[in-house]
Amino acid sequence: AQSVTQLDSQVPVFEEAPVELRCNYSSSVSVYLFWYVQYPNQGLQLLLKYLSGSTLVKGINGFEAEFNKSQTSFHLRKPSVHISDTAEYFCAVDNFNKFYFGSGTKLNVKP
Amino acid sequence: GAGVSQSPRYKVAKRGQDVALRCDPISGHVSLFWYQQALGQGPEFLTYFQNEAQLDKSGLPSDRFFAERPEGSVSTLKIQRTQQEDSAVYLCASSLESGTGGFEQYFGPGTRLTVT
Repeated sequence: AQSVTQLDSQVPVFEEAPVELRCNYSSSVSVYLFWYVQYPNQGLQLLLKYLSGSTLVKGINGFEAEFNKSQTSFHLRKPSVHISDTAEYFCAVDNFNKFYFGSGTKLNVKP
Repeated sequence: GAGVSQSPRYKVAKRGQDVALRCDPISGHVSLFWYQQALGQGPEFLTYFQNEAQLDKSGLPSDRFFAERPEGSVSTLKIQRTQQEDSAVYLCASSLESGTGGFEQYFGPGTRLTVT
């Protein structure tokens, strides 16, 4: 069975500070991993994805994530956040086209 | 180009009413997905189409939920005899291909259903 855990429901951070949003998954098979962002009243937008190859994946808006198979993690990072990064972030595992999402992490960037 | 569109954006239904939610995927996208997102939760898979074929409906919560995609493009999610626990945002997504996975799903803005 597949599952995704996002332990931090909310992460407050000051503008220009670094941030890490944690994601752990469980899967009995090879996985494809995704991070999506959801702005208020909008659909989910892809930030980045890991399919294979390099474990460090770069995405849009300066975000990156590192796939760690031994720790079954796929944490999302940004070295310097902006006010506009305030949104909810979802980690997802793709199991034969069926996406399993975590419960989300609300990133609140303060001035 | 146009993204995934959903209508209506908001729907209020009285308990016991039937509702129909529409999804227009990106033109040419083979696969179409429905998800249910309860307040404060991540989206949960409901069902998946490849063209007009419904390949997986394991996430539909009850036999009151029915989805169709008769011509392989537009899809409708129907909920019969709505209950308060059906209140949620219903998200539609489409992807260009399917295969064994790994393809980006493009999401619509969702339909917020409130059952009173």
